[in-house]
Amino acid sequence: ELKVEQNPLFLSMQEGKNYTIYCNYSTTSDRLYWYRQDPGKSLESLFVLLSNGAVKQEGRLMASLDTKARLSTLHITAAVHDLSATYFCAVDSKGGADGLTFGKGTHLIIQP
Amino acid sequence: DTAVSQTPKYLVTQMGNDKSIKCEQNLGHDTMYWYKQDSKKFLKIMFSYNNKELIINETVPNRFSPKSPDKAHLNLHINSLELGDSAVYFCASGYPYTAPLHFGNGTRLTVT
Repeated sequence: ELKVEQNPLFLSMQEGKNYTIYCNYSTTSDRLYWYRQDPGKSLESLFVLLSNGAVKQEGRLMASLDTKARLSTLHITAAVHDLSATYFCAVDSKGGADGLTFGKGTHLIIQP
Repeated sequence: DTAVSQTPKYLVTQMGNDKSIKCEQNLGHDTMYWYKQDSKKFLKIMFSYNNKELIINETVPNRFSPKSPDKAHLNLHINSLELGDSAVYFCASGYPYTAPLHFGNGTRLTVT
């Protein structure tokens, strides 16, 4: 059974700081996704990582994938309050037929 | 135009009742899903439906049944509702393998 572990699960940080969220998964996969969820809202796709070494950047967020280590990271640079949300990583190990397996999410609070 | 739409947004009902949640997508996707998000925000796949093939998460009670009248619709029927069914249910659609899933806005189900 595929397991996806994120850490930390809760993160409070100050504006202007940098931090990294980690996502480890237990079985072979080269398809990993990052989503953002605001309170009471739906999930918004942030990044799609489809190969070893893939790196994607959007604004202050950068995601990477190391399939050999079964590890993805989401790096936040110079955080701003608007990035406060819950971030999920999700892994597809069976070609989509079984959907995505999600991590438990990282609840990120960025203090002004 | 909303890509993935769910109705109702909120559903409050008593134990033992039967209820349905509707989902429609206008993205032309082949595969649709139902996810359950519990009070701790943990997301778990319940069903995926692709070209009339239904894949069921074995942990889902048989009181839950998806019904798909056509490729653009996947409804969720729940019989004999229990307190533990209270959660947010998300419908999603996508092309497996390379693209992220698109999620609906969720249906918050409260069983009293």
